[in-house]
Amino acid sequence: NAGVTQTPKFQVLKTGQSMTLQCAQDMNHEYMSWYRQDPGMGLRLIHYSVGAGITDQGEVPNGYNVSRSTTEDFPLRLLSAAPSQTSVYFCASSRDRGRTGELFFGEGSRLTVL
Amino acid sequence: DAKTTQPPSMDCAEGRAANLPCNHSTISGNEYVYWYRQIHSQGPQYIIHGLKNNETNEMASLIITEDRKSSTLILPHATLRDTAVYYCIVRVGGSQGNLIFGKGTKLSVKP
Repeated sequence: NAGVTQTPKFQVLKTGQSMTLQCAQDMNHEYMSWYRQDPGMGLRLIHYSVGAGITDQGEVPNGYNVSRSTTEDFPLRLLSAAPSQTSVYFCASSRDRGRTGELFFGEGSRLTVL
Repeated sequence: DAKTTQPPSMDCAEGRAANLPCNHSTISGNEYVYWYRQIHSQGPQYIIHGLKNNETNEMASLIITEDRKSSTLILPHATLRDTAVYYCIVRVGGSQGNLIFGKGTKLSVKP
């Protein structure tokens, strides 16, 4: 199993551009989530999903959209990138919502917005 | 806001036990305590979790006080590879809640 795969690993955007961070897991996990991590900070929850077709907001959802059309994929969309969205983004999954504490994380996607 | 308080940094000698403290004085009766670690800039790694009883697995032991207001993560024989940021997290929202990460403790294991 590859686990949780994130692409791209690095990305540079200009202010106002849009892009999608991809996240895929091959563990048949129901629960998936996106976090962002800024320098010297812990992780902050952006959006999460408890299953295909179901998404909800976390702590810092503004400026981001998500969808969950399949169990495997949970893309994160930046509609109009801003410098404040420069961060490292982590996707995570767990077997089901009852085990949301036992997360498997991807390696991260490092985004710079100029 | 995170419901836990951890020291920002700690040192430990290689081969010795590393004891990482965490205060969670406002924890509710059904809220679990989770520990994760993050090595360099990698994705965080789940270590262990518990509710009331002490827990042990192949990575670490978790000691929770009887009043549940604090806990200690124990790495029995720390190695250089255990150098990481360790996060103590109280899962809010009951059994299906999300994890809210704080800033954690930077553990430096020294030769």
